[in-house]
Amino acid sequence: NAGVTQTPKFRILKIGQSMTLQCTQDMNHNYMYWYRQDPGMGLKLIYYSVGAGITDKGEVPNGYNVSRSTTEDFPLRLELAAPSQTSVYFCASSLSGGHGDTQYFGPGTRLTVL
Amino acid sequence: GESVGLHLPTLSVQEGDNSIINCAYSNSASDYFIWYKQESGKGPQFIIDIRSNMDKRQGQRVTVLLNKTVKHLSLQIAATQPGDSAVYFCALSNDYKLSFGAGTTVTVRA
Repeated sequence: NAGVTQTPKFRILKIGQSMTLQCTQDMNHNYMYWYRQDPGMGLKLIYYSVGAGITDKGEVPNGYNVSRSTTEDFPLRLELAAPSQTSVYFCASSLSGGHGDTQYFGPGTRLTVL
Repeated sequence: GESVGLHLPTLSVQEGDNSIINCAYSNSASDYFIWYKQESGKGPQFIIDIRSNMDKRQGQRVTVLLNKTVKHLSLQIAATQPGDSAVYFCALSNDYKLSFGAGTTVTVRA
């Protein structure tokens, strides 16, 4: 199993540009998550999904959109990039949402908005 | 929202010594706690977890202690090795959503 994979690893955007961060997991996990990590800070939840076709907002959803058309994929869309969205983005997945169910993280995408 | 804080942002440890990383939380309703390790350029990796009905749990070279009275969580690493150099996060689970602390950077001195 590759686990959770993310592309691209790095990206520089200009203000106002848009892009999609890709996330794929091959563990047949139902739950998937997007986090952002700002320098020196912990991770903050952007959006999550409890299954295909179901998504919901996390702690910091403004400026982002997600979709979950398949179990495997959970792309994160930035429509109008802003400098405040400069961060490292992590995708994660877990089999279920129950306690004791580990979230597995991808390697991250480092995004810079200039 | 949930507030999760760490006592020290950095910790320097001599190789072979024990490391103790601390974490404080504010929500007394939290009932599941996790420690993650993040190496440079990688995503967080699960280390160990503990439920609120326990006060101690041991893994391989790691021990997590939970004091619900003072809302305090700690991670102890025995015989710290160079490979333990990383950022360590505590996280609290609220349903299936995690709230992370800011992290403690552990540096192991040879």
